[in-house]
Amino acid sequence: QSALTQPASVSGSPGQSIAISCTGTSSDVGAYNYVSWYQQHPGKAPKLLIFDVSNRPSGVSDRFSGSKSGNTASLTISGLQAEDEADYYCSSYASSNTLLFGGGTKLTVL
Amino acid sequence: QVQLVQSGSELKKSGASVKVSCKASGYTFSSHAMNWVRQAPGQGLEWMGWIDTNTGNPTYAQGFRGRFVFSLDTSVSTAYLQITSLKAEDTAVYYCARDRSGSHFDYWGQGTLVTVSS
Repeated sequence: QSALTQPASVSGSPGQSIAISCTGTSSDVGAYNYVSWYQQHPGKAPKLLIFDVSNRPSGVSDRFSGSKSGNTASLTISGLQAEDEADYYCSSYASSNTLLFGGGTKLTVL
Repeated sequence: QVQLVQSGSELKKSGASVKVSCKASGYTFSSHAMNWVRQAPGQGLEWMGWIDTNTGNPTYAQGFRGRFVFSLDTSVSTAYLQITSLKAEDTAVYYCARDRSGSHFDYWGQGTLVTVSS
């Protein structure tokens, strides 16, 4: 099983909205509504942002939202802030109790 | 509050073994599976597998079968990752992560850096 495909980098200015895509296959992203997104600042552990495609854990800003269409999931960050600069990873359940991560996307806030 | 506290950094020689611990607190240990995730320097996250905290049954991702062993000590709510026959390419930060419902990880340990030198 290959890693999910994410763009290596995205950028945006404060206040703007950006989207990060996560492309899998009909065996993982397309087959299950079990896509999650994590934020990781340098030297820190990942933090759960979105689970089950579009659900936010308690305490996560509503500026973060998730969606899915076919084999591609997306994370949208609205009202971009300086502290959003980080690495973002998607993950998906992929059958037989296995899980895949994306390669990660570095978000730069200009 | 839920906490996963991992053991400290390790510096090992090639061919040696290492055992990383992940002590859980703030919840019923057996209620959630524990996963392990590797992050090589400057690289992305890589799912290694998980262990059922009720039965102790481990599941290993492809690429992590053979030298990697997940285990538990439920009496102290601790999960372990042991790596044998260490290689330079095992140098990475290893994270434990609590499985929320079989599909995502809601709490993570702080990570343990394992450095393998020749």
